[in-house]
Amino acid sequence: DVKVTQSSRYLVKRTGEKVFLECVQDMDHENMFWYRQDPGLGLRLIYFSYDVKMKEKGDIPEGYSVSREKKERFSLILESASTNQTSMYLCASSAQGAGDNQPQHFGDGTRLSIL
Amino acid sequence: DAKTTQPTSMDCAEGRAANLPCNHSTISGNEYVYWYRQIHSQGPQYIIHGLKNNETNEMASLIITEDRKSSTLILPHATLRDTAVYYCIVRGSGTYKYIFGTGTRLKVLA
Repeated sequence: DVKVTQSSRYLVKRTGEKVFLECVQDMDHENMFWYRQDPGLGLRLIYFSYDVKMKEKGDIPEGYSVSREKKERFSLILESASTNQTSMYLCASSAQGAGDNQPQHFGDGTRLSIL
Repeated sequence: DAKTTQPTSMDCAEGRAANLPCNHSTISGNEYVYWYRQIHSQGPQYIIHGLKNNETNEMASLIITEDRKSSTLILPHATLRDTAVYYCIVRGSGTYKYIFGTGTRLKVLA
């Protein structure tokens, strides 16, 4: 089974702090993703990566950056946390297959609160 | 905006089949249909996906109509642990983005 592990289930930080969210997958997947999930807004894509050191902006990249130094690990960084970044953050990974139809597999999420 | 329409909620008796419908009338030829579910406080769990043929795996069956404008996810013998929000998503090749709609809240009743 695919395993996507996020480092923390719950995290509380203060406004202005630099916050790191870590994600590790064990299936040698090429693609990795960061989403945030908010009530009434569904899942929104922040960034994704299709290879080591490669990254692409999603729909809402402002205030975030990412790092992918190793294939199995994808980090999301909140440069200067703000209260509107309080959310559930979800990491996902997928293989690169013919037709790009490979499903994404999600971790259990990090519920981040910014005070 | 989500490209799918699902009922807001459904109930199903434990042990019976749960049939969850999804309308995707604007689906295009290269778009797949994916089903996920999300149990409270957990990440979305992949269930099944398909293009035009019916698919079955250990969790569920996916029935796609011939015109591909709708599909049904079937959980053959629902259990209490199947209580969750079920999302139907369409996604084509060339894009990685999933658009999750509001989903169907399935409650399995004892």
